[in-house]
Amino acid sequence: NAGVTQTPKFRILKIGQSMTLQCAQDMNHNYMYWYRQDPGMGLKLIYYSVGAGITDKGEVPNGYNVSRSTTEDFPLRLELAAPSQTSVYFCASSYARGANTEAFFGQGTRLTVV
Amino acid sequence: QQPVQSPQAVILREGEDAVINCSSSKALYSVHWYRQKHGEAPVFLMILLKGGEQKGHEKISASFNEKKQQSSLYLTASQLSYSGTYFCGTGANSNSGYALNFGKGTSLLVTP
Repeated sequence: NAGVTQTPKFRILKIGQSMTLQCAQDMNHNYMYWYRQDPGMGLKLIYYSVGAGITDKGEVPNGYNVSRSTTEDFPLRLELAAPSQTSVYFCASSYARGANTEAFFGQGTRLTVV
Repeated sequence: QQPVQSPQAVILREGEDAVINCSSSKALYSVHWYRQKHGEAPVFLMILLKGGEQKGHEKISASFNEKKQQSSLYLTASQLSYSGTYFCGTGANSNSGYALNFGKGTSLLVTP
């Protein structure tokens, strides 16, 4: 069972470039989330989705976009990368609403913007 | 709103006990606890739901005081494998709890 798979694991971007962070889960979870983790700051919610075709903003959505065309995939798009987006990005999924049930996390993508 | 965790860091000798606290200024429906080892993903430890009882996981247990909007994680007879950063995640009422708000984490180091 793969769980939540994120690609790539590491990436260096130049300021102004764009990229897509991939996230896929094979647990048939409806709920998926993107968090970013900065040192000493915990996990901040960027976007979440409650099912295919439905997405909504979290606490820190500026500079990011998401789509959810299938239950399995939840890519995160960075447009015009900025140094402030240097962070570790985690994708997670859960069977039910996040408050009610365990979240499964991917291994993370470490992004550096230079 | 981000819950507040305390302490920020703690160093233990193997076999000692520790308590990590998590508090929120908002009414809570649930509290989750996760542990993250360096360079790895957070791993679920346990969830406490409003109206639920204290839960345990081997030598790690937790309590949830709904009235005080606080939770505590108890690590008993700590082992080297307990080292890592512990995060609490809080959920609002179940109708709007689509995602968790995480605290900044408590770094725990268990030494031989």
